[in-house]
Amino acid sequence: EVQLVESGGDLVQPGGSLRLSCAASGFTFSSYSLNWVRQAPGKGLEWVSYISSRGSTTYYADSVKGRFTISRDNAKNSLYLQMNSLRAEDTAVYYCARDLPLVYWGQGTLVAVSS
Amino acid sequence: DIQMTQSPSSLSASVGDRVTITCRASQGISNYLAWFQQKPGKAPKSLIYAASSLQSGVPSKFSGSGSGTDFTLTISSLQPEDFATYYCQEYSTYPYTFGQGTKLEIK
Repeated sequence: EVQLVESGGDLVQPGGSLRLSCAASGFTFSSYSLNWVRQAPGKGLEWVSYISSRGSTTYYADSVKGRFTISRDNAKNSLYLQMNSLRAEDTAVYYCARDLPLVYWGQGTLVAVSS
Repeated sequence: DIQMTQSPSSLSASVGDRVTITCRASQGISNYLAWFQQKPGKAPKSLIYAASSLQSGVPSKFSGSGSGTDFTLTISSLQPEDFATYYCQEYSTYPYTFGQGTKLEIK
């Protein structure tokens, strides 16, 4: 069974940093691309970032470009999102999701940016 | 960037009804279109991929059609568990934009 479990969400002050993790199991992790998708409270879904299976290709939404960095460790079956210079508008539930189209999703982790 | 315009933004329907949700891309995306269902407090669930292919385990009451710029999701014989928010997403070209969502409510 494919499982994606996010962690690392927290309350952080504006300008602060946070690193999200997504632990994967139930599939050959190194064979699949991965994504981060977020959802602000009461709002719709927003694609955030993509990383290819080997990590050689990454894409970012304009809203996070230059502040967020996606990475993966295929030996640890883990996906990461390093978030720097956080803003109030980054407050959201962050989901990791496998491949495109997005079939498998984690349960999400909440990031709250507030002073 | 490709813009995805979903309509309507909300929809009231009764149990047993058939409803259609539309998603329009600002430029052609072939059939790189997916549909998701989301219930409050839950992660989105994949329903349809490649515009019209039903995800494994999804009931055949859900169907998708379209190609290029215009797509539809049809749900037949609505049941209480179908009342949720539905999103389309293009995965032709990043930034893999989602539609703004359609909230399907019980009339």
